[in-house]
Formats: sequence, structure tokens, C-alpha cells
Amino acid sequence: EDKVVQSPLSLVVHEGDTVTLNCSYEVTNFRSLLWYKQEKKAPTFLFMLTSSGIEKKSGRLSSILDKKELFSILNITATQTGDSAIYLCAVPNAGNNRKLIWGLGTSLAVNP
Amino acid sequence: DAGVIQSPRHEVTEMGQEVTLRCKPISGHNSLFWYRQTMMRGLELLIYFNNNVPIDDSGMPEDRFSAKMPNASFSTLKIQPSEPRDSAVYFCASSLGQGALGYTFGSGTRLTIV
Repeated sequence: EDKVVQSPLSLVVHEGDTVTLNCSYEVTNFRSLLWYKQEKKAPTFLFMLTSSGIEKKSGRLSSILDKKELFSILNITATQTGDSAIYLCAVPNAGNNRKLIWGLGTSLAVNP
Repeated sequence: DAGVIQSPRHEVTEMGQEVTLRCKPISGHNSLFWYRQTMMRGLELLIYFNNNVPIDDSGMPEDRFSAKMPNASFSTLKIQPSEPRDSAVYFCASSLGQGALGYTFGSGTRLTIV
């Protein structure tokens, strides 16, 4: 059965800290891995990763995929209180690229 | 672009009552997804439609749940009769058939069954 596991489930840091969020997956016929940020409402898209070793970067956020070890990390440097959110990882189902398998998320709280 | 529009934003109702959640996808998107999110189980796909046709309803928990998409601009998720364990945030999402990348979520309906 396809599955996505995220760790840690929750994290509390101070502003300015760097955090690393983890996502491991087991899925047949892997195609891509997606990261989303969920604040109070709907998840919003951050990154899509398809190739190992190639870092995707957006401002203070970056992510990388390791297809050999079946995991991805999301890094946030110089965290701000606005980074407080749930970060979700998802992988398309083997048989249907539009059907996503989701992790439970990492709840990040950044304190001033 | 107004995005995916869901209504109501919040719903509190007594167990046993019928609940109807509504979704308007982004114009031109041909796939629509209903998700349920809880702390214990995270985001779970309930059902998805492609070109208004239900493709996969394997995530619908039981016969009390039903979903329809009568046209390309409207979908409903109905729970009858509702139970306290149905309390969750229900999200609708739509996509243009670009696979997972094209997902856009609505703001969700927070449903509380008392």
C-alpha cells in the first residue's frame, strides 16, 4: 500500500532558527513528490520534485529529493513567525497521477 | 480568478440531520476532488470526478456519504444521516488535468456534528 510518512509531527522553534522537515514515501511507480503549506485554510503549493539531488528553492525555503533512499526534506532558514503552519508532503498514486497520497503533516510553530 | 469556492464556511448541526456541502471549481478545470481532513487521519480523498463523472469513490466512508457533480461548475457532498464522527474540515479541490501539479484547494468547510 502506498504511504507517506512525515516527521516530526510537530516542532516549536524561535525566530531565526533553521528547520528541516522530513518526508519518506513508499509508492510504486514513483513520479513526483509535492510539498504544500497549510496555514489556517487550504493547502497551498510550494514545490514539486521529480529528480534526485536537484534542489528547488524559493526564498528561505528549499527542498531536495533522494529517490534512492525514498525521502525528501524541506528546509526553512531564518524562520519567521509567518512560517508557522502545517507543512504537508504528498505523492501521486501509482495508478492515477491526479490522486495524491498525503502525509499527516508537520505542524511548525515559530515563536518570536 | 475567484479560485475554488466552497460553502458554507462553517456548519454546526445536530446528529441525524442531513448536511450538504457545496463546491464551485475553477472555470475550465476538468477534475474535482473532495477531501476530508482530521487531526488523526490527515487529508483523505473521498471521491474524485473527471469531466463530471465519478472516477474513484473508494474513499467514501460509507453509504451515508454521497457526492454529485451535475455540471462542470458545481458539486455537492451530502451526509445523511450525519454523525459526530463526521466532524472534520472538508476540502474541495480542482485541477486542469495536469496531474498533481495543477491542484487548487478551496478554503474548506468546517463541519461540526453535535
